[in-house]
Amino acid sequence: KAGVTQTPRYLIKTRGQQVTLSCSPISGHRSVSWYQQTPGQGLQFLFEYFSETQRNKGNFPGRFSGRQFSNSRSEMNVSTLELGDSALYLCASSSSNEQFFGPGTRLTVL
Amino acid sequence: AQSVSQHNHHVILSEAASLELGCNYSYGGTVNLFWYVQYPGQHLQLLLKYFSGDPLVKGIKGFEAEFIKSKFSFNLRKPSVQWSDTAEYFCAVTPGRGGYNKLIFGAGTRLAVHP
Repeated sequence: KAGVTQTPRYLIKTRGQQVTLSCSPISGHRSVSWYQQTPGQGLQFLFEYFSETQRNKGNFPGRFSGRQFSNSRSEMNVSTLELGDSALYLCASSSSNEQFFGPGTRLTVL
Repeated sequence: AQSVSQHNHHVILSEAASLELGCNYSYGGTVNLFWYVQYPGQHLQLLLKYFSGDPLVKGIKGFEAEFIKSKFSFNLRKPSVQWSDTAEYFCAVTPGRGGYNKLIFGAGTRLAVHP
């Protein structure tokens, strides 16, 4: 079975721009969660989507948003990028209570 | 709010030494508990998990963890570490009912094992 894939793997943007990251879950998994990993804050939960509906949300500003498509693929969008948004963004898919993580997208905001 | 504390941020051991990484969580209800590992340049991988039942759980690569409910702890252990165990280790929790997949992670412990 193919694992969780994330595209792109690396991204460089400037402040004020917006960015869209993509995640393809493991086949058959209907839940996709997103996390932000930074050296200062560690791993923080952004949101979870299940059957195209946001099921859980973390404590991030409204600039961070996501969606899920009918094939369970998910995207997250960050608008009006700030320097502090530089991070590794991880996607995880799940069919039950265990999550499988992708390699992440490393976003650098200049 | 739920939180997870990992007491050791950096641990340095020699091969064959025993390992114990501490993890405490704050949540009054039923929880699911996890230890994840991130090897250099690799994905986060699940080491072991506890949902219910025997509080001593065994995971991959010889790791085990013990859930002590009265202490809100879920410490990770390995009797004899190897150089290949060099990695960052994360303890995480989700609420046991309705918590779905909202993992709350600890800050992580960087383990360096010297030959």
